[in-house]
Amino acid sequence: DQQVKQNSPSLSVQEGRISILNCDYTNSMFDYFLWYKKYPAEGPTFLISISSIKDKNEDGRFTVFLNKSAKHLSLHIVPSQPGDSAVYFCAASDGGSTLGRLYFGRGTQLTVWP
Amino acid sequence: EPEVTQTPSHQVTQMGQEVILRCVPISNHLYFYWYRQILGQKVEFLVSFYNNEISEKSEIFDDQFSVERPDGSNFTLKIRSTKLEDSAMYFCASSGYDRGKTQYFGPGTRLLVL
Repeated sequence: DQQVKQNSPSLSVQEGRISILNCDYTNSMFDYFLWYKKYPAEGPTFLISISSIKDKNEDGRFTVFLNKSAKHLSLHIVPSQPGDSAVYFCAASDGGSTLGRLYFGRGTQLTVWP
Repeated sequence: EPEVTQTPSHQVTQMGQEVILRCVPISNHLYFYWYRQILGQKVEFLVSFYNNEISEKSEIFDDQFSVERPDGSNFTLKIRSTKLEDSAMYFCASSGYDRGKTQYFGPGTRLLVL
Protein backbone atom coordinates (compact mmCIF):
# COMPACT_ATOMS: atom_id res chain seq x y z
CA ASP A 1 0.00 0.00 0.00
CA GLN A 2 1.86 3.06 -1.26
CA GLN A 3 -1.01 5.52 -1.32
CA VAL A 4 0.68 7.87 1.15
CA LYS A 5 4.41 8.33 0.95
CA GLN A 6 6.89 10.11 3.12
CA ASN A 7 10.13 9.78 1.26
CA SER A 8 12.42 11.24 3.90
CA PRO A 9 12.86 8.88 6.83
CA SER A 10 14.68 11.54 8.82
CA LEU A 11 15.24 15.27 9.06
CA SER A 12 17.65 17.18 11.27
CA VAL A 13 17.14 20.89 11.94
CA GLN A 14 18.71 23.43 14.23
CA GLU A 15 16.56 24.98 16.94
CA GLY A 16 14.88 28.18 15.78
CA ARG A 17 14.98 27.28 12.09
CA ILE A 18 12.17 26.00 9.92
CA SER A 19 11.38 22.30 9.65
CA ILE A 20 9.65 21.19 6.45
CA LEU A 21 8.21 17.70 6.31
CA ASN A 22 6.86 16.41 3.04
CA CYS A 23 4.21 13.92 2.04
CA ASP A 24 2.93 12.68 -1.33
CA TYR A 25 -0.22 10.75 -2.11
CA THR A 26 -1.60 8.93 -5.09
CA ASN A 27 -5.32 8.48 -4.42
CA SER A 28 -7.50 11.24 -5.89
CA MET A 29 -10.31 10.24 -3.52
CA PHE A 30 -8.42 11.53 -0.50
CA ASP A 31 -10.20 14.64 0.74
CA TYR A 32 -8.79 15.24 4.20
CA PHE A 33 -5.21 15.18 5.38
CA LEU A 34 -3.74 15.08 8.85
CA TRP A 35 -0.37 15.25 10.52
CA TYR A 36 0.33 13.29 13.66
CA LYS A 37 3.31 13.46 15.96
CA LYS A 38 4.52 10.37 17.78
CA TYR A 39 6.92 10.00 20.65
CA PRO A 40 8.40 6.57 21.51
CA ALA A 41 6.02 4.32 23.47
CA GLU A 42 3.09 6.68 22.84
CA GLY A 43 0.26 6.76 20.35
CA PRO A 44 0.07 9.23 17.45
CA THR A 45 -0.97 12.69 18.65
CA PHE A 46 -3.09 14.78 16.31
CA LEU A 47 -1.29 17.93 15.25
CA ILE A 48 -3.05 19.69 12.39
CA SER A 49 -5.29 18.87 9.44
CA ILE A 50 -6.44 20.30 6.14
CA SER A 51 -9.43 19.73 3.95
CA SER A 52 -8.94 19.29 0.22
CA ILE A 53 -10.94 22.46 -0.41
CA LYS A 54 -8.16 24.52 1.19
CA ASP A 55 -4.52 24.96 0.34
CA LYS A 56 -3.24 26.16 3.69
CA ASN A 57 -4.07 25.77 7.34
CA GLU A 58 -2.17 27.37 10.17
CA ASP A 59 -2.12 26.69 13.90
CA GLY A 60 0.51 28.52 15.88
CA ARG A 61 3.95 27.34 14.82
CA PHE A 62 2.49 24.69 12.52
CA THR A 63 1.30 25.27 8.96
CA VAL A 64 0.16 22.64 6.51
CA PHE A 65 0.20 23.34 2.78
CA LEU A 66 -1.72 21.27 0.25
CA ASN A 67 -0.98 21.19 -3.47
CA LYS A 68 -3.74 19.07 -4.95
CA SER A 69 -2.49 19.18 -8.51
CA ALA A 70 0.84 17.77 -7.37
CA LYS A 71 -0.79 15.50 -4.79
CA HIS A 72 1.65 16.86 -2.26
CA LEU A 73 1.39 18.29 1.21
CA SER A 74 3.94 19.67 3.60
CA LEU A 75 4.13 20.57 7.26
CA HIS A 76 6.12 23.62 8.25
CA ILE A 77 7.22 24.13 11.83
CA VAL A 78 8.52 27.60 12.62
CA PRO A 79 10.48 28.09 14.79
CA SER A 80 11.54 24.53 15.51
CA GLN A 81 12.10 23.58 19.12
CA PRO A 82 13.92 20.59 20.67
CA GLY A 83 10.57 19.36 22.03
CA ASP A 84 9.41 18.95 18.43
CA SER A 85 11.79 16.02 18.04
CA ALA A 86 9.51 13.07 17.25
CA VAL A 87 8.25 10.95 14.37
CA TYR A 88 5.77 12.82 12.18
CA PHE A 89 3.15 10.86 10.27
CA CYS A 90 1.16 12.13 7.35
CA ALA A 91 -2.29 10.54 7.03
CA ALA A 92 -5.07 10.83 4.50
CA SER A 93 -8.76 10.10 4.66
CA ASP A 94 -10.72 8.61 1.79
CA GLY A 95 -13.79 10.66 0.97
CA GLY A 96 -15.57 7.50 -0.07
CA SER A 97 -14.99 5.83 3.27
CA THR A 98 -17.96 5.87 5.61
CA LEU A 99 -16.11 6.83 8.75
CA GLY A 100 -12.81 8.15 7.54
CA ARG A 101 -10.44 5.23 7.28
CA LEU A 102 -6.95 6.72 7.53
CA TYR A 103 -4.00 5.80 5.36
CA PHE A 104 -0.62 6.56 6.87
CA GLY A 105 2.82 7.29 5.54
CA ARG A 106 5.88 5.61 7.05
CA GLY A 107 6.80 8.67 9.07
CA THR A 108 9.71 11.09 9.23
CA GLN A 109 11.93 11.27 12.29
CA LEU A 110 12.51 14.94 13.07
CA THR A 111 15.45 15.84 15.27
CA VAL A 112 15.78 19.43 16.43
CA TRP A 113 19.18 20.16 17.90
CA PRO A 114 20.14 23.17 20.04
CA GLU B 1 -7.73 17.19 28.10
CA PRO B 2 -9.77 14.04 27.37
CA GLU B 3 -7.77 11.16 25.98
CA VAL B 4 -8.14 7.63 24.72
CA THR B 5 -6.79 5.01 27.11
CA GLN B 6 -5.79 1.42 26.38
CA THR B 7 -5.07 -1.62 28.50
CA PRO B 8 -2.89 -3.51 28.83
CA SER B 9 0.14 -1.58 27.66
CA HIS B 10 1.94 -4.86 26.90
CA GLN B 11 0.66 -8.38 26.36
CA VAL B 12 2.64 -11.53 25.72
CA THR B 13 0.72 -14.60 24.60
CA GLN B 14 1.27 -18.02 23.11
CA MET B 15 0.33 -18.71 19.51
CA GLY B 16 -3.23 -19.99 19.31
CA GLN B 17 -4.40 -18.20 22.44
CA GLU B 18 -7.16 -15.63 22.52
CA VAL B 19 -6.40 -12.05 23.49
CA ILE B 20 -8.67 -9.13 24.25
CA LEU B 21 -7.34 -5.61 23.93
CA ARG B 22 -9.29 -2.91 25.70
CA CYS B 23 -9.85 0.72 24.95
CA VAL B 24 -11.76 3.53 26.59
CA PRO B 25 -12.50 6.13 23.93
CA ILE B 26 -13.01 9.82 24.64
CA SER B 27 -16.31 10.02 26.46
CA ASN B 28 -18.52 11.92 24.02
CA HIS B 29 -17.12 10.28 20.91
CA LEU B 30 -19.27 7.99 18.82
CA TYR B 31 -16.89 6.61 16.20
CA PHE B 32 -14.26 4.07 17.09
CA TYR B 33 -11.33 2.47 15.31
CA TRP B 34 -8.57 -0.05 15.62
CA TYR B 35 -5.25 0.26 13.82
CA ARG B 36 -2.07 -1.71 14.12
CA GLN B 37 1.59 -1.12 13.38
CA ILE B 38 3.89 -4.06 12.83
CA LEU B 39 7.45 -3.19 13.74
CA GLY B 40 9.09 -1.23 10.94
CA GLN B 41 5.89 -0.90 8.94
CA LYS B 42 3.13 1.64 8.48
CA VAL B 43 0.19 2.16 10.76
CA GLU B 44 -2.62 0.13 9.15
CA PHE B 45 -6.37 0.43 9.50
CA LEU B 46 -8.21 -2.60 10.86
CA VAL B 47 -11.81 -1.61 11.53
CA SER B 48 -14.21 1.23 12.19
CA PHE B 49 -17.27 0.96 14.42
CA TYR B 50 -20.36 3.06 14.96
CA ASN B 51 -23.73 2.49 16.58
CA ASN B 52 -22.76 -1.02 17.68
CA GLU B 53 -21.90 -2.09 14.17
CA ILE B 54 -18.79 -2.47 12.11
CA SER B 55 -18.77 0.31 9.53
CA GLU B 56 -15.74 -0.76 7.54
CA LYS B 57 -13.01 -3.34 7.85
CA SER B 58 -9.77 -3.95 6.05
CA GLU B 59 -8.53 -7.15 4.48
CA ILE B 60 -6.43 -7.71 7.61
CA PHE B 61 -9.57 -7.94 9.76
CA ASP B 62 -10.47 -11.54 9.06
CA ASP B 63 -12.66 -13.97 10.99
CA GLN B 64 -10.07 -14.21 13.77
CA PHE B 65 -10.78 -10.63 14.75
CA SER B 66 -13.88 -9.20 16.38
CA VAL B 67 -14.80 -5.92 18.04
CA GLU B 68 -17.35 -5.13 20.68
CA ARG B 69 -18.63 -2.26 22.74
CA PRO B 70 -19.73 -4.22 25.80
CA ASP B 71 -20.84 -1.19 27.78
CA GLY B 72 -21.05 2.57 27.47
CA SER B 73 -17.34 3.16 27.87
CA ASN B 74 -15.24 0.24 26.65
CA PHE B 75 -14.35 -0.79 23.12
CA THR B 76 -12.56 -4.11 22.69
CA LEU B 77 -10.62 -5.95 20.00
CA LYS B 78 -10.53 -9.73 20.30
CA ILE B 79 -8.14 -11.96 18.42
CA ARG B 80 -9.51 -15.48 18.68
CA SER B 81 -6.46 -17.58 17.87
CA THR B 82 -3.32 -15.50 17.71
CA LYS B 83 -0.64 -16.06 15.11
CA LEU B 84 3.00 -15.01 15.17
CA GLU B 85 2.27 -12.36 12.56
CA ASP B 86 -0.28 -10.71 14.86
CA SER B 87 2.63 -9.34 16.89
CA ALA B 88 2.28 -5.59 16.58
CA MET B 89 1.36 -2.37 18.32
CA TYR B 90 -2.42 -2.02 18.37
CA PHE B 91 -3.89 1.47 18.53
CA CYS B 92 -7.44 2.38 19.37
CA ALA B 93 -8.79 5.70 18.10
CA SER B 94 -12.00 7.62 18.48
CA SER B 95 -13.67 10.50 16.71
CA GLY B 96 -16.46 12.88 17.59
CA TYR B 97 -18.29 15.66 15.84
CA ASP B 98 -16.64 15.35 12.44
CA ARG B 99 -17.50 11.67 11.81
CA GLY B 100 -14.02 10.32 11.65
CA LYS B 101 -12.23 13.19 9.98
CA THR B 102 -10.11 13.78 13.07
CA GLN B 103 -9.19 10.65 14.97
CA TYR B 104 -7.57 10.69 18.41
CA PHE B 105 -5.33 7.78 19.25
CA GLY B 106 -4.60 5.92 22.44
CA PRO B 107 -1.09 5.00 23.59
CA GLY B 108 -1.32 1.50 22.14
CA THR B 109 -0.99 -2.09 23.32
CA ARG B 110 2.15 -3.92 22.33
CA LEU B 111 1.18 -7.52 21.56
CA LEU B 112 3.85 -10.18 21.31
CA VAL B 113 2.84 -13.64 20.12
CA LEU B 114 5.33 -16.40 20.86
